[in-house]
Amino acid sequence: SQTIHQWPATLVQPVGSPLSLECTVEGTSNPNLYWYRQAAGRGLQLLFYSVGIGQISSEVPQNLSASRPQDRQFILSSKKLLLSDSGFYLCAWLVGGDTGELFFGEGSRLTVL
Amino acid sequence: GQNIDQPTEMTATEGAIVQINCTYQTSGFNGLFWYQQHAGEAPTFLSYNVLDGLEEKGRFSSFLSRSKGYSYLLLKELQMKDSASYLCAVMDSNYQLIWGAGTKLIIKP
Repeated sequence: SQTIHQWPATLVQPVGSPLSLECTVEGTSNPNLYWYRQAAGRGLQLLFYSVGIGQISSEVPQNLSASRPQDRQFILSSKKLLLSDSGFYLCAWLVGGDTGELFFGEGSRLTVL
Repeated sequence: GQNIDQPTEMTATEGAIVQINCTYQTSGFNGLFWYQQHAGEAPTFLSYNVLDGLEEKGRFSSFLSRSKGYSYLLLKELQMKDSASYLCAVMDSNYQLIWGAGTKLIIKP
């Protein structure tokens, strides 16, 4: 079956610390993968998307980066977190190639103090 | 600029019907989506409209009018578990999804 896993689910980090969020999918190959951030009261903001290994497109200039080291692995990173990086981070997988339907991971809630 | 508008919050009664509206202004149109998101959880797909008209799926229906840049999600026979945020999203001409901020639906007994 097709699944998507994200971890960690929750983390609290100090300003200036590094970040690594991981996302893996199962049950498919060569998926299109996305990282979104959801801030309170705002729509989902696309951060990065990837159509294959090593292929990353950035939508928003910021102190975050993404990598796709393996076909079914997508990693979101930061070298130095800012307060404004707090939010709910969602990894998503394009399951509907014709319709654009996204299937989301469980999410990672980041609080930067 | 591109914009998706939907009410911030709505309240309805268990067993009743509620309509959540969404208006959009985007660079092109390649479909409109509705997702449901329970508090603290990830969004889950509800519906997809690309042609004008009504799509029905059980207790949920979604309507689209491309000429008016308008959609609504209709929820019938409301249940307490329907308490959630409902996100409207439009795919633009570049096949990028533009998301609304979501409508928080509160169901009262």
